Amino acid sequence: DIQMTQSPSSLSASIGDRVTIACRASQNISGYLNWYRQRPGKAPELLIYLTSTLQSGVPSRLSGSGSGTHFTLTISSLQPGDFATYLCQQSYGVPWTFGQGTKVEIK
Amino acid sequence: QVQLVQSEAEVKKPGASVKVSCKASGYTFTAYYIHWLRQAPGHRLQWMGRINPTTGGTSYEHEIQDRVTMTRDTAITTAYMELRSLKSDDTAVYFCARSNEGEDWFDPWGQGTLVTVSS
Repeated sequence: DIQMTQSPSSLSASIGDRVTIACRASQNISGYLNWYRQRPGKAPELLIYLTSTLQSGVPSRLSGSGSGTHFTLTISSLQPGDFATYLCQQSYGVPWTFGQGTKVEIK
Repeated sequence: QVQLVQSEAEVKKPGASVKVSCKASGYTFTAYYIHWLRQAPGHRLQWMGRINPTTGGTSYEHEIQDRVTMTRDTAITTAYMELRSLKSDDTAVYFCARSNEGEDWFDPWGQGTLVTVSS
């Protein structure tokens, strides 16, 4: 199975900060990397698919980049609704696997 | 709007079975796969398998393939996930989610169903 590792596991930031979350795959997954946001007690919500394509309705201050084994999610200016846990998921090979999550907290 | 609504929380004893439902609305049910995933306390999300609502064909994660069955009823646009021989490790929130064929990212998701396995 492809192992997905996110870093950091958690971070503290302020409104307006630029935040970057990393996701590393245990093997080359080309561009088959997707990002989700999960709020406490809720289901994940798709933010970005295939590394950098924003899902409909997702604001442009979120962006994704990377290829191969290293990927990043960037939030250019943190807003109140962004405080949540972010998950990466590879869609290169079955079984589809997820990172352990990065919790973004208010400083 | 596209929506997946799951059944209510369940409490089961070890060795029992549970069947969770996922009612789809707002789109053509047979045009998208339904996946099942679970999130146990302190563990990362785990993909369990998927069903093609058109054919009923399934694909399961290898660790649980002997204990899980995914089915659907196209007449009522509902997918089901049954897990047998429950263990305490199966305590988790179970989610259904939709994907397009060949596009294995998940959107939207059901609200989740908590299954607690306890003696």
